[in-house]
Amino acid sequence: AQSVTQLDSQVPVFEEAPVELRCNYSSSVSVYLFWYVQYPNQGLQLLLKYLSGSTLVKGINGFEAEFNKSQTSFHLRKPSVHISDTAEYFCAVSEEETGFQKLVFGTGTRLLVSP
Amino acid sequence: DTEVTQTPKHLVMGMTNKKSLKCEQHMGHRAMYWYKQKAKKPPELMFVYSYEKLSINESVPSRFSPECPNSSLLNLHLHALQPEDSALYLCASSSSGTGVYEQYFGPGTRLTVT
Repeated sequence: AQSVTQLDSQVPVFEEAPVELRCNYSSSVSVYLFWYVQYPNQGLQLLLKYLSGSTLVKGINGFEAEFNKSQTSFHLRKPSVHISDTAEYFCAVSEEETGFQKLVFGTGTRLLVSP
Repeated sequence: DTEVTQTPKHLVMGMTNKKSLKCEQHMGHRAMYWYKQKAKKPPELMFVYSYEKLSINESVPSRFSPECPNSSLLNLHLHALQPEDSALYLCASSSSGTGVYEQYFGPGTRLTVT
């Protein structure tokens, strides 16, 4: 079975500083990776996804992630964060089934942006 | 329209009550999902419906009963719940068939069992 590890439970950062949220996955033949964001008292919103092709993936709100097969990583980055980026970030891997996808989430990283 | 709606937003119920959570999407998705999320934890998959048929039941207690009456609707019927069932219940939907598709999540129903 696939699995995802997010080693950092919380990442504090100052506004306008760069940030990297780490995600490592278990090795598999086919890897489909996602980053979701959850703002307080809301559902999950997709930031970006890697299915195949270019290893640098750009997403919404200025976020990007790089798929690194040799290091089995899919770290999320933003060059300059805003207060509004304060949220919980989940990395997830998809197990492809017939007719649907089974998402396996990491434990999440809380990004805390302060002025 | 890329929205998944869930009602109610909040629900407080006693352990002897019967209630239902409702989820709706109009994106033509044929896969729908129920997740349970406890505070400060990731979502945990409960059920998956594909083409209105139950495809996955992640060993969920029978006091949770899912139903998919048509391709746009997904219900979760609740009966004789325990306080530890208090959580945020998230619904999601996705395209189905060959390929990998993103899941679209609703805002959730926050359930409190007293």
